[in-house]
Amino acid sequence: SQQGEEDPQALSIQEGENATMNCSYKTSINNLQWYRQNSGRGLVHLILIRSNEREKHSGRLRVTLDTSKKSSSLLITASRAADTASYFCATLLSGGYNKLIFGAGTRLAVHP
Amino acid sequence: GAGVSQSPSNKVTEKGKDVELRCDPISGHTALYWYRQSLGQGLEFLIYFQGNSAPDKSGLPSDRFSAERTGGSVSTLTIQRTQQEDSAVYLCASSPDLLAGGIGELFFGEGSRLTVL
Repeated sequence: SQQGEEDPQALSIQEGENATMNCSYKTSINNLQWYRQNSGRGLVHLILIRSNEREKHSGRLRVTLDTSKKSSSLLITASRAADTASYFCATLLSGGYNKLIFGAGTRLAVHP
Repeated sequence: GAGVSQSPSNKVTEKGKDVELRCDPISGHTALYWYRQSLGQGLEFLIYFQGNSAPDKSGLPSDRFSAERTGGSVSTLTIQRTQQEDSAVYLCASSPDLLAGGIGELFFGEGSRLTVL
């Protein structure tokens, strides 16, 4: 079963707008990562947030983590058409496991 | 190249045939993962190798699936007696030594698209 679930499944916005994607998970984690995928092929790592962190920034990306609610959000500010892709959260379970479990993803479309 | 390399990039086979998919991880990366992604879906974990430890095979969907990693580097995923439901993109990823507390960033290959007719 999926550990992480993204919401929404699909998001359509205009260039310049902000895009927010959410991820919920079920069990305790060591870290949570966000990845981007273009055209159904290889994934690219965007950002990693550890379980003892609450917020991280990288360029136009902002990630938050709320371990009490078992949820994370990815914010892309000032979106561009080139941000159009699928975005996945992945959770690394705590307890010595190194299995990185991916959610179903959010498909983001940014229109010029 | 410096990235994760997978071959073949596309494979079309007939139901019942065996297939082998290859993954060359980034040199020096000790962790190697195989995932499967069906059209429009998320990634399904298959198997994980870490150094010389026994692999975590908990995601393999049936005994028709097997994987090995030779010399701590190249990995081969084998699917025997392929079925149509095996059609998917098979993604390989590698990662360097464990961070304190667990795996960090995964580096993905471009995947092998398998079509079983």
